[in-house]
Amino acid sequence: AQSVTQPDIHITVSEGASLELRCNYSYGATPYLFWYVQSPGQGLQLLLKYFSGDTLVQGIKGFEAEFKRSQSSFNLRKPSVHWSDAAEYFCAVGTSGGYQKVTFGTGTKLQVIP
Amino acid sequence: NAGVTQTPKFQVLKTGQSMTLQCAQDMNHNSMYWYRQDPGMGLRLIYYSASEGTTDKGEVPNGYNVSRLNKREFSLRLESAAPSQTSVYFCASNMGGGLVNTGELFFGEGSRLTVL
Repeated sequence: AQSVTQPDIHITVSEGASLELRCNYSYGATPYLFWYVQSPGQGLQLLLKYFSGDTLVQGIKGFEAEFKRSQSSFNLRKPSVHWSDAAEYFCAVGTSGGYQKVTFGTGTKLQVIP
Repeated sequence: NAGVTQTPKFQVLKTGQSMTLQCAQDMNHNSMYWYRQDPGMGLRLIYYSASEGTTDKGEVPNGYNVSRLNKREFSLRLESAAPSQTSVYFCASNMGGGLVNTGELFFGEGSRLTVL
C-alpha cells in the first residue's frame, strides 16, 4: 500500500523568502504524485502533478516540484513567497491505471509573515 | 462553472441522528469520492464510486453508507451519528479509469459536521 509523509506540520516564512515543503512517498511502482493547496474554509486545489518525463514540474502560482526517485521525494518549492500563499499544502500519491487510489499526506500549514 | 457542489455546508447533529450529505458534479466525471478531513490526519477516503453503478469502501467506511444515484450525484449517509464522526467532509470527482485518467481530483468546498 502506498503512503505519504510530510514531516513538517507547520512552517513559517517571511514574505519574499524562498520556500521548500518536503514530501516523501512509499509506492512499489512509478507513482503519480500531486501537490494540492487548501485555503481556509475551501476545498483542495491542484497545484501540480507528476506522471512521467521531466522530473521538474511547474505548477500554478509560481510553484514547482522535483521528483527524485532515489530519495522517494517530491518536494514543493517557490522562489519568493507571497502573503497570499498562506494555506495548507497536501502532498498525495496515486496508483496508476484503472481506479486511481489517491493517498494524502497529513499536510503542512504555511504561515507567511510580513 | 459549478464543478463539485456539496450540501449542506454546515450541520449540527445529536448522537444517534441520521443525515445525508449530497454531492453533485457537472464535469461528466466517472469517478466520485468521499473524504473526511481531521486535524493532523490529512484526508482519508471513506467510500468511492469508480463508475456509475459501483461503490467500494475506502480506508474508513464504518458508520457510513453511500449511494451513486446517477453519474452526477453521490451521497453519503450517516445512519446513527457519533461524536467521532465530527469532521469536515469533502466530495471529489475525476475522470476515472484507463489511460485518460489524469488522476487530478476536483473537490467541493466541504461540509462541516458536528455531532454532539
